Amino acid sequence: DAGVTQSPTHLIKTRGQQVTLRCSPKSGHDTVSWYQQALGQGPQFIFQYYEEEERQRGNFPDRFSGHQFPNYSSELNVNALLLGDSALYLCASSLEVGTAPNYGYTFGSGTRLTVV
Amino acid sequence: LAKTTQPISMDSYEGQEVNITCSHNNIATNDYITWYQQFPSQGPRFIIQGYKTKVTNEVASLFIPADRKSSTLSLPRVSLSDTAVYYCLVDRPNQAGTALIFGKGTTLSVSS
Repeated sequence: DAGVTQSPTHLIKTRGQQVTLRCSPKSGHDTVSWYQQALGQGPQFIFQYYEEEERQRGNFPDRFSGHQFPNYSSELNVNALLLGDSALYLCASSLEVGTAPNYGYTFGSGTRLTVV
Repeated sequence: LAKTTQPISMDSYEGQEVNITCSHNNIATNDYITWYQQFPSQGPRFIIQGYKTKVTNEVASLFIPADRKSSTLSLPRVSLSDTAVYYCLVDRPNQAGTALIFGKGTTLSVSS
């Protein structure tokens, strides 16, 4: 059973450019969440998608946008890149509603974005 | 969701038991306590989740007192490969649309 797949694994972009990151969720999962993790920090929640709609959003500017496709895969787009956008971008998939106490998110290994 | 507080770092030696305590004073009735483990350049990995008393799986144990204002993750006989960042989160798995909110976590360093 494949886990969460993210592409690309590494990316270098120039300030002001735009970038698109991709995520395929774990088989059977219907919800995708995106996180930004700066060096030495915990993952910061960007937004969550369910049924192709953005359901919840963290404290990120409108430069960050996303999309979820009918097959549950997702994209994260970042416009007008800043140096401060350099980070590990993580995608996590889950079920809309889980069954505790073994309900957890499955994370991908992330995309390392470097803005120069 | 309630905020959590945990130590920034801990050191241990191989073969020892490690206990990482987390406080979550404002935990709500519907909330569960969940722990994740993260290695460098990888995404976090779900370790264990509990509501009250004690939960044990093949990786760890989770102790939650009756007032649920704190919890303790116990890693038995750690090895070098347990060196990682451990995150304590309050989660609401039975409620749709609840996002996981991470803090800075506890960096565990295991030495030989």
